[in-house]
Amino acid sequence: QVQLVESGGGLVKPGGSLTLSCATSGFSFSDYYMGWIRQAPGKGLEWVSYISSAGSDKSYPDSLRGRFTISRDNAKNSLYLQVDSLRVDDTAVYYCARDGGNYWAFDIWGQGTAVTVSS
Amino acid sequence: EIVLTQSPGTLSLSPGERATLSCRASQTVSSTYLAWYQQKPGQPPRLLIYSTSTRATGIPDRFSGSGSGTDFTLTISRLEPEDFAVYYCQQYGNSRHSFGQGTKMEIK
Repeated sequence: QVQLVESGGGLVKPGGSLTLSCATSGFSFSDYYMGWIRQAPGKGLEWVSYISSAGSDKSYPDSLRGRFTISRDNAKNSLYLQVDSLRVDDTAVYYCARDGGNYWAFDIWGQGTAVTVSS
Repeated sequence: EIVLTQSPGTLSLSPGERATLSCRASQTVSSTYLAWYQQKPGQPPRLLIYSTSTRATGIPDRFSGSGSGTDFTLTISRLEPEDFAVYYCQQYGNSRHSFGQGTKMEIK
């Protein structure tokens, strides 16, 4: 069955860095665009990034550009998100999600990995 | 970047009633790229509707979407107990995604 499993979250000090991973299975990973979406505690969803199936096209919201880097390894069926210069307001659950095809909607989501930025 | 504003913020209804949720965009959104999600506590979002009005796999037909331009609507024809959750609209345009702030549907 189709599955996305995030990992790499945890407690990080402000200014630190981390890399989140998303292991996928059950579908042809290299055929799909993928994305990261985050959700701060008690708040709504915020789109963080997407990457094309081959990895050549990446996008970020202007508010997050420069500190976030999305990447993928199609040989390992895995998606990554590197976050640098972490701030307290980066505290959130980070979800990876599959873009389902021609409609730019996220049809499959992982359970998320929690990132807490605190001194 | 396109801002999506959802209303109302909270909707209090009873099972069996009809729910109408609104999503308004700051600029014209292609109807092909407007989606709706449902999220329950402690769970990831679930795709309900994509391309404004197409139900995702396994979504019951009491859920329907409509709209065009800057105004979009999610309608739940007869609320079931499991429908009480938070709903988000989402759009894609100009190489960017964005989500609305959500509508919480609670039991009256």
